[in-house]
Amino acid sequence: GAVVSQHPSWVICKSGTSVKIECRSLDFQATTMFWYRQFPKQSLMLMATSNEGSKATYEQGVEKDKFLINHASLTLSTLTVTSAHPEDSSFYICSAAHSDTQYFGPGTRLTVL
Amino acid sequence: GQQVMQIPQYQHVQEGEDFTTYCNSSTTLSNIQWYKQRPGGHPVFLIQLVKSGEVKKQKRLTFQFGEAKKNSSLHITATQTTDVGTYFCAGPGAGTYKYIFGTGTRLKVLA
Repeated sequence: GAVVSQHPSWVICKSGTSVKIECRSLDFQATTMFWYRQFPKQSLMLMATSNEGSKATYEQGVEKDKFLINHASLTLSTLTVTSAHPEDSSFYICSAAHSDTQYFGPGTRLTVL
Repeated sequence: GQQVMQIPQYQHVQEGEDFTTYCNSSTTLSNIQWYKQRPGGHPVFLIQLVKSGEVKKQKRLTFQFGEAKKNSSLHITATQTTDVGTYFCAGPGAGTYKYIFGTGTRLKVLA
């Protein structure tokens, strides 16, 4: 139980385009999901907390207009990287809170050319 | 802001040797969680410690929460190649379910 999926698993896009990443809790409902970014050989940096039915809470230094988060249902949160640039290339991981534990999705590797 | 540091950053051990990673928080924690991330994979929850001085074991892994609830450790006895990966501790941040991840310790086991 407690499975979280992410789609796509990897994406390559041109600079200036927008990319949407989906995070789904498959067998439980999650009112709270989290979005992390992880650069190679570094730790997970929390970007924002996604709350179902309300605005996301962004961490300091994360541009909310660049990283749009929508949590429209209890099983789906989306992260849209708008006007992506090469410095946005990273591994993006979501997690969903369930029974005091976070369950992580498999991650999405974004490469911006 | 809240910081969670881990040492060492990297550790290479021969298979069969023991390994320990230490986690230190700048603030007192209500609980601490440990995760393992295999190369190319995503973090997988290992355990949560809640009580001061708590010790929990999972086969060859021993987790300890400090008396002051500001530090924790993970000890692996007789490492195996399957133990390779990065081990993260994570402490609660401000906000429900929110956790701040430690800097991680990357373990390499040499056969």
